[in-house]
Parts: sequence; C-alpha cells; structure tokens
Amino acid sequence: AQSVTQLGSHVSVSEGALVLLRCNYSSSVPPYLFWYVQYPNQGLQLLLKYTSAATLVKGINGFEAEFKKSETSFHLTKPSAHMSDAAEYFCAVSWGGSNQFYFGTGTSLTVIP
Amino acid sequence: DTAVSQTPKYLVTQMGNDKSIKCEQNLGHDTMYWYKQDSKKFLKIMFSYNNKELIINETVPNRFSPKSPDKAHLNLHINSLELGDSAVYFCASSQVAKNYGYTFGSGTRLTVV
Repeated sequence: AQSVTQLGSHVSVSEGALVLLRCNYSSSVPPYLFWYVQYPNQGLQLLLKYTSAATLVKGINGFEAEFKKSETSFHLTKPSAHMSDAAEYFCAVSWGGSNQFYFGTGTSLTVIP
Repeated sequence: DTAVSQTPKYLVTQMGNDKSIKCEQNLGHDTMYWYKQDSKKFLKIMFSYNNKELIINETVPNRFSPKSPDKAHLNLHINSLELGDSAVYFCASSQVAKNYGYTFGSGTRLTVV
C-alpha cells in the first residue's frame, strides 16, 4: 500500500531561519514524490518532484528536498524562511504509470517576523 | 491562458438545492480529477476520468455525479445539497504516463446554508 505521513501539522519558524518540513512515505514500488504548496484561498502549486533521477531535487522559491530511500523520507527544506513562505504544504506519493496520488495531511507553515 | 480553470470560484446555496461546478483544462492532459478539501485542509479524491472514462470512484454519496463530455472537461453535479457538503472542491489534471504531477485549479468554495 502507498501512503505518506507528514510529521507536524503546524510548524513555526522565525524569518531567516531554516525551514524543515518532514515527509515519510510507504510504497511497495519505486515512488514518485512531490511537494505542493497552497497559499491562502488558492489552489495547490507544484514546488518540486522526485522521479527517480537525482536524489536532491531543487524546486521553486528556494526550496529543495532530498530522497532518502533508506529512511523512506522526502523532507522539504529551505535555508532561510521568508514571510511569503507562510502557507500549507502537502507531500504526495505516486508511482510510474499511475493516475492516483496519495496526499499527506498537510503542514501549515507560519513565519514569525 | 489559465491551465485548469474552475467555475464558479464561490458558491453559496441552500440545503436541498442542486448545483454544478465546471472544470476545463487546456494542457492536453488525458486524466482529470475532483478532490474535496475539508476545513482541516485534508484532501480526499472523489473521482478520476481518463479520456472520458471513469477510473476512480471513491466512496462518495451518489448525490455527486461527475460528467466528462470530452477529455478537456470534467464537471461535478451535486444533488440535494447538505450542510456537510460545504468544502473547497478542486479540479486537477495530469498526463499519467509522464507523471509530472497534477495541475490544480484554483478551487470552488462551496457553502451550504
């Protein structure tokens, strides 16, 4: 069975501090992994994706994530938080040729000035 | 030139009414989806169509009926609306074989009073 777990439904960081949002997956086949961001009152926007190429993936807005097979993790990081990063972040897993994603329950990021 | 567009953006209606939400994508994707996002931001898939064929039909009340006249359109009709139907409904599309991820619409906020 495929699933994702996001640890921490709410994360608060100070402006300029490191952002770390955790995602662990469960997949019986090689996964494709995604991070999406949802700003208030908007749809979900793709931040970055892992599709079995480089394990360190760079996305938009300075975010990156590293696929670690041994830890079944795909944590999202950003070296320095900006006020505009405040949003809901979703991790998702899929696999090759599939038409279904499994979304995590989301992590709400608050950036404190 | 919006990739996935949904109408209306906001919908306020009384219990018992019937309403429809429309979705169109101009990306040439072969698969479209409807997701429901509840007040806790949890995303639940409702339906998926691939080239006008229903391929995912999760446990959703049969008051909800999707219709796909062509692969660029997926509409959602809801009969006898209930208070619990209040949520944000997202349309999304993808090209399954390429697994680039979903492209989401901006959502329809449905409020049943």
